[in-house]
Amino acid sequence: GAVVSQHPSRVICKSGTSVKIECRSLDFQATTMFWYRQFPKKSLMLMATSNEGSKATYEQGVEKDKFLINHASLTLSTLTVTSAHPEDSSFYICSARDGGGGNTIYFGEGSWLTVV
Amino acid sequence: KQEVTQIPAALSVPEGENLVLNCSFTDSAIYNLQWFRQDPGKGLTSLLLIQSSQREQTSGRLNASLDKSSGRSTLYIAASQPGDSATYLCAVLNYGQNFVFGPGTRLSVLP
Repeated sequence: GAVVSQHPSRVICKSGTSVKIECRSLDFQATTMFWYRQFPKKSLMLMATSNEGSKATYEQGVEKDKFLINHASLTLSTLTVTSAHPEDSSFYICSARDGGGGNTIYFGEGSWLTVV
Repeated sequence: KQEVTQIPAALSVPEGENLVLNCSFTDSAIYNLQWFRQDPGKGLTSLLLIQSSQREQTSGRLNASLDKSSGRSTLYIAASQPGDSATYLCAVLNYGQNFVFGPGTRLSVLP
């Protein structure tokens, strides 16, 4: 079945550095990808929606200069957390819409980011 | 704007009990509803997906029902086991939109 691969699953970075998380659709073309973030004991919240080849649409309150999203191909979207701070430590998860498969949305396994 | 709530927020039961987790949503024009499981420090595991035209889905000891008109879904877990301990998330997808997640129910099954 369709699979969305997210990498890395866990990452630790130093405060002030940038970290990139990749989201790949392995056997389908993802016309749209979504990035979510989960704070402790909270529900997953949508950060941004990205369509291949165009700029991402960010949800209110999400800093687009801090959370850079690139969707350069139909199988890859990246989320870069720039100048990371400890408060950026969270669980980040992507999902991808299979445009040719009934618009089914598949989720990645998520990435745990810890900023020290 | 779609809003999803889940009741209870936390649940602790002895092993072997049957239990029901509840999910409510405000906008009934949904495309589908999905139940996920999340273990501490882990990603999401999809449990059951119910399309808007369906009333329920079953997988093993899990049964999820959907009542669109009332904006409700329930996840029924039969004969609970300690391995079922996790956070259970309900997520609703509306046409042309993204998933909206509920806050989750933290389940603890005691041996």
